[in-house]
Amino acid sequence: RKEVEQDPGPFNVPEGATVAFNCTYSNSASQSFFWYRQDCRKEPKLLMSVYSSGNEDGRFTAQLNRASQYISLLIRDSKLSDSATYLCVARGSQGNLIFGKGTKLSVKP
Amino acid sequence: DVKVTQSSRYLVKRTGEKVFLECVQDMDHENMFWYRQDPGLGLRLIYFSYDVKMKEKGDIPEGYSVSREKKERFSLILESASTNQTSMYLCASSPREASGYLTDTQYFGPGTRLTVL
Repeated sequence: RKEVEQDPGPFNVPEGATVAFNCTYSNSASQSFFWYRQDCRKEPKLLMSVYSSGNEDGRFTAQLNRASQYISLLIRDSKLSDSATYLCVARGSQGNLIFGKGTKLSVKP
Repeated sequence: DVKVTQSSRYLVKRTGEKVFLECVQDMDHENMFWYRQDPGLGLRLIYFSYDVKMKEKGDIPEGYSVSREKKERFSLILESASTNQTSMYLCASSPREASGYLTDTQYFGPGTRLTVL
């Protein structure tokens, strides 16, 4: 089983839509989780950390379910500029980051 | 503003050549990383370094070596390039927390797209 798994998509949604991405992780000892965003032909950049209590940053909400080893990212009121690949990330046992393969989002006008 | 730079955006080499990929960060970060990114496989960690002259193997170190002689510079070396090393190579750095633990955010360079013919 891959350490971090996510649906590759693509998710094609209209502007203004709400879209949710899910991710599962295999290492129950992982303590920290993140969402990174990667634009086409660009480097990944941290979007937000994921806290146990859930956290929100504007239109973005991240949730963690430790019992199910499941992380989610919700994007409300999608913008064209949200089009990107979203990488689910867990901290590994050596302290390094383990990246999922990414979920591609395409927001259409 | 954190800046991570990589020596080349595009590189074409021949099978068997020795290849050096250089990465420099200007934020005095302790930790540096080398990844490769391939379609359908995502980002995979090759090597990382917690400090000068220290290195740790990642998930796919075979065929690669690294060098960290100075804090700001982390080099990835392909001793004898092969066609299956054609990939996008991404360098990243991150500071160390006061606790000694790795911090959340890794700052990535723009990447080097290496083609081995």
